[in-house]
Amino acid sequence: GQQLNQSPQSMFIQEGEDVSMNCTSSSIFNTWLWYKQDPGEGPVLLIALYKAGELTSNGRLTAQFGITRKDSFLNISASIPSDVGIYFCAGLTGANSKLTFGKGITLSVRP
Amino acid sequence: DAGITQSPRHKVTETGTPVTLRCHQTENHRYMYWYRQDPGHGLRLIHYSYGVKDTDKGEVSDGYSVSRSKTEDFLLTLESATSSQTSVYFCAISEGGGELFFGEGSRLTVL
Repeated sequence: GQQLNQSPQSMFIQEGEDVSMNCTSSSIFNTWLWYKQDPGEGPVLLIALYKAGELTSNGRLTAQFGITRKDSFLNISASIPSDVGIYFCAGLTGANSKLTFGKGITLSVRP
Repeated sequence: DAGITQSPRHKVTETGTPVTLRCHQTENHRYMYWYRQDPGHGLRLIHYSYGVKDTDKGEVSDGYSVSRSKTEDFLLTLESATSSQTSVYFCAISEGGGELFFGEGSRLTVL
């Protein structure tokens, strides 16, 4: 089946630093999405990307839909303690609305 | 926040017993999903529904069944629970396009 690769499994950064996360696949996706999960809660959508090459920002977050449609990245600038959580990438191929999720990256921010 | 509730939120049961988790939405969204989340595996799709009485399998559907008799409710049943089904289960709803709204999760422990 389709797989999305996210690595490393965990990242540790200092408050105020920027951080970038990649998501890659051997399959082509038509939509890329990034979700964040706070401890003890369900994931929440951060950014959705619908077109190859698209660059979208949401506050301190910036995400891009790769030209090949096989990858995406998420950048968080000037990290703050509330950025702590698990970041998932997700891809959608067709009209059946069945998402494929990556395994997630756990982000820790040191004050 | 999307109107989606899961019940029960926590359950401890014994191997071999049946378990039913309920997902209820007040948003009238077409799509409903059941995921399980386990360390190192991220979010894996169990089953999803694209309409009343219309369901399909996900990547980890063995040992699980679902039913959707009305738009607002999506039930996940473990006919005979096993220890490998100890997990956190998330329900999600969507109108399509990959933008999912997740519930708060149901933590199931099978002893």
